[in-house]
Parts: sequence; C-alpha cells; structure tokens
Amino acid sequence: SQQGEEDPQALSIQEGENATMNCSYKTSINNLQWYRQNSGRGLVHLILIRSNEREKHSGRLRVTLDTSKKSSSLLITASRAADTASYFCATAPIMSSGSARQLTFGSGTQLTVLP
Amino acid sequence: DAGVIQSPRHEVTEMGQEVTLRCKPISGHNSLFWYRQTMMRGLELLIYFNNNVPIDDSGMPEDRFSAKMPNASFSTLKIQPSEPRDSAVYFCASSLKGSGQGNYEQYFGPGTRLTVT
Repeated sequence: SQQGEEDPQALSIQEGENATMNCSYKTSINNLQWYRQNSGRGLVHLILIRSNEREKHSGRLRVTLDTSKKSSSLLITASRAADTASYFCATAPIMSSGSARQLTFGSGTQLTVLP
Repeated sequence: DAGVIQSPRHEVTEMGQEVTLRCKPISGHNSLFWYRQTMMRGLELLIYFNNNVPIDDSGMPEDRFSAKMPNASFSTLKIQPSEPRDSAVYFCASSLKGSGQGNYEQYFGPGTRLTVT
C-alpha cells in the first residue's frame, strides 16, 4: 500500500477560500514533501519539511508535520483558480540502516478552485 | 535551465512493438528516476540511478522493461515487447543525491504518454 495517503481525495472550493489537504504515512521518515501536478503536466515541488520541523511556510502555503501522529497538512490560503491541480505528498522513509530511501508518493488530492 | 527533457511526449504503438522513452536530466543532478503514473496505481517508482549506476530496479514490473543511463545526461526506458497494460504516463525526474535519496526535491519532466493498442 502507499506510504503516504492524502485526504480528501477531492476538494472543491470557491476562489479566496482556504484549502486544507492532509497526508498520513506509516513509517518513520527523514522528510516529507508536497508536490503539485497540473493536468497533463509533470509534478512540481512545492515544499519540503524535515522530520525535526513542525511547520513551514512558503508564500501562501503552510505545511505542518506531526511525527507522533504520522501526519502532515498542506494549507493553501486565499486560493486562486490557478491553484486547481492535484496535490501529492511524498515521504522519504528511513531504512533500518538509518539512511533515507527514495520518495514514495501518495495518491493525491484533486483540488478544484471555482472562480 | 531547460529542466528535465523527455521525448517523445506522446507515443502510440501496437502491442508487441518495442518502445523507447528518452530522458535528459538537469545538468549537475546525479540522481535520475523513472516513474509510471496510472489512474489505478498512481505514481510508481520504476527504477533510479545514482551517478549513472542503477541502484534499485525493484519497481520494474517485468523483464520486458529495461533502463539504461550511459552517461550523466541521458537515460532510456525500453519496453519490449509492449502490451496494452503498459499504457500510462511515464515520468523522468532528477535530483541531487546528497546523503540520502529523499533529502532533495525532485524535478520532473513533462512525461511521455504511452498508448499501446
């Protein structure tokens, strides 16, 4: 099964509203990343939060990480129609050797921002 | 920088034919990843390279799939023979390696949409 699972699977909001997407994962991680994918395009990196960080901001994006609950959230404030896309969380699980494995992507949240 | 370049962008082929997908990573990046994306299975890692060496190909679905990276600026993913269930979007991504694979952001190419009829 996927290491990261996003919730909800789909979200529809009005322009100007805030959008919150959640990600849960199963194993200990080195870091967690969020990516955006516009229809028919490749994924674009948004933000990386390390396991020792609790919150990170980038423009209208706010990411939180709760390692005790193995969960993360992505908040997009003052959403715009251009934010319409799929959003994926990706985790870098830590191996027993202590090194971080390659990224494992969740199934994504489809965000629709209505003008 | 032009970003990760993939070719072709679209490929339509008949079952049984050989398909070769190409990727040029971002200059200076020393890790390269091949992913497959479908509605049913989401985004799956097929194989990744560090410094042109294949590190983990456990995601390669079958022996029909093979990948090479002859130099730091070029990689291919080959499917021979192709089957309808191989229809998907194939992405190439590159990143810096660092101390662990997950420590750096990955830069994705635009993808190759493969349709096998």
